[in-house]
Amino acid sequence: EPEVTQTPSHQVTQMGQEVILRCVPISNHLYFYWYRQILGQKVEFLVSFYNNEISEKSEIFDDQFSVERPDGSNFTLKIRSTKLEDSAMYFCASSGQGVHEQYFGPGTRLTVT
Amino acid sequence: QQPVQSPQAVILREGEDAVINCSSSKALYSVHWYRQKHGEAPVFLMILLKGGEQKGHEKISASFNEKKQQSSLYLTASQLSYSGTYFCGTGGTGNQFYFGTGTSLTVIP
Repeated sequence: EPEVTQTPSHQVTQMGQEVILRCVPISNHLYFYWYRQILGQKVEFLVSFYNNEISEKSEIFDDQFSVERPDGSNFTLKIRSTKLEDSAMYFCASSGQGVHEQYFGPGTRLTVT
Repeated sequence: QQPVQSPQAVILREGEDAVINCSSSKALYSVHWYRQKHGEAPVFLMILLKGGEQKGHEKISASFNEKKQQSSLYLTASQLSYSGTYFCGTGGTGNQFYFGTGTSLTVIP
């Protein structure tokens, strides 16, 4: 069964450093999403991506964040200058159509020290 | 814009039933339900698109009221495997998506 994959599973970085989180969505899906979940809290929408551009973003997704689909398979989230409060689990998801079910990757746990 | 869930937490014995509610202050385009087990990613359960719709998935079913401002998830004859945090999620006509506040469900033997 096709699945969304994410790498790395755990990333530790120092405050102020740049990180890139990688995702490989399900191959025939068209919509891609990034979410974050601070430990013990709800899942928060960051951004959705369709047709090679951002279609929606939340207030959390400020200028420190960017997304890219550098080739036909990868979907990346970059955080330019990490802050302590960026520590969270980051989930990538994809769906075949905009309002249909989303399939989540296993997540990348980001720890900023 | 983010939906509110109730209750925040519930503990059940195996075989008991539970209802989780998801409410919004305005009409929703769709409502999704997901379950997340500790340390894992959310897993899709079902989606409702139409006001008045009801949908079932084994012993888990959901409804979406006529005004499309409230959805409820029904878990009947709960099993240990039902334990986890349940999130409703709502989408608009665009591609934003917001999860509810979450309901922690614990099923004990």
